[in-house]
Amino acid sequence: DAGVTQSPTHLIKTRGQQVTLRCSPKSGHDTVSWYQQALGQGPQFIFQYYEEEERQRGNFPDRFSGHQFPNYSSELNVNALLLGDSALYLCASSLYPRDYLRDNEQFFGPGTRLTVL
Amino acid sequence: QKEVEQDPGPLSVPEGAIVSLNCTYSNSAFQYFMWYRQYSRKGPELLMYTYSSGNKEDGRFTAQVDKSSKYISLFIRDSQPSDSATYLCAMTNRGSTLGRLYFGRGTQLTVWP
Repeated sequence: DAGVTQSPTHLIKTRGQQVTLRCSPKSGHDTVSWYQQALGQGPQFIFQYYEEEERQRGNFPDRFSGHQFPNYSSELNVNALLLGDSALYLCASSLYPRDYLRDNEQFFGPGTRLTVL
Repeated sequence: QKEVEQDPGPLSVPEGAIVSLNCTYSNSAFQYFMWYRQYSRKGPELLMYTYSSGNKEDGRFTAQVDKSSKYISLFIRDSQPSDSATYLCAMTNRGSTLGRLYFGRGTQLTVWP
């Protein structure tokens, strides 16, 4: 089992550009969540995708958008990049969370480190 | 007030010490509690997962949840230099936001030989 994979590992962009990050979930998982982790901070929830739809969204502007494909993989797009978007972007995969499921674990990928100059 | 508070440390202990890491939270709806370990410039690795209150043990690691005090702990026995990392607590509640993880900012731990 390859676990959660993300690409690219790191990239550098300039202000105003657009970026697309990719994630493949752990085998058997159908839900992908994206998090932003600024240096020295805990991850912040961006949004969650299940059945190719955005199911939950954190406090992030519309510049952040996503997509989920039929094979459960996902993309995170960020438009009009700002210096403050520099962070480690993490993808987490899980089964779709349900209260009656006690095992709602989420597994993270290695992240994509985005630097905006 | 942030929903999850965690002392960032840094915490430095000798090899073999017992380490105690803690988080407090304000949302009484949190039901699922996790501890992640994150090495420098890597993604978080799930260490422990507990549901509601109580204790859970896995090898050298013990997780405790006290919902009445809104306080969770992770204990590491016989700490090793390889345990040096940032430890993140995370939690999620039931209902419409189930699955959205709320993280502490992490505690940086160094175990020296």
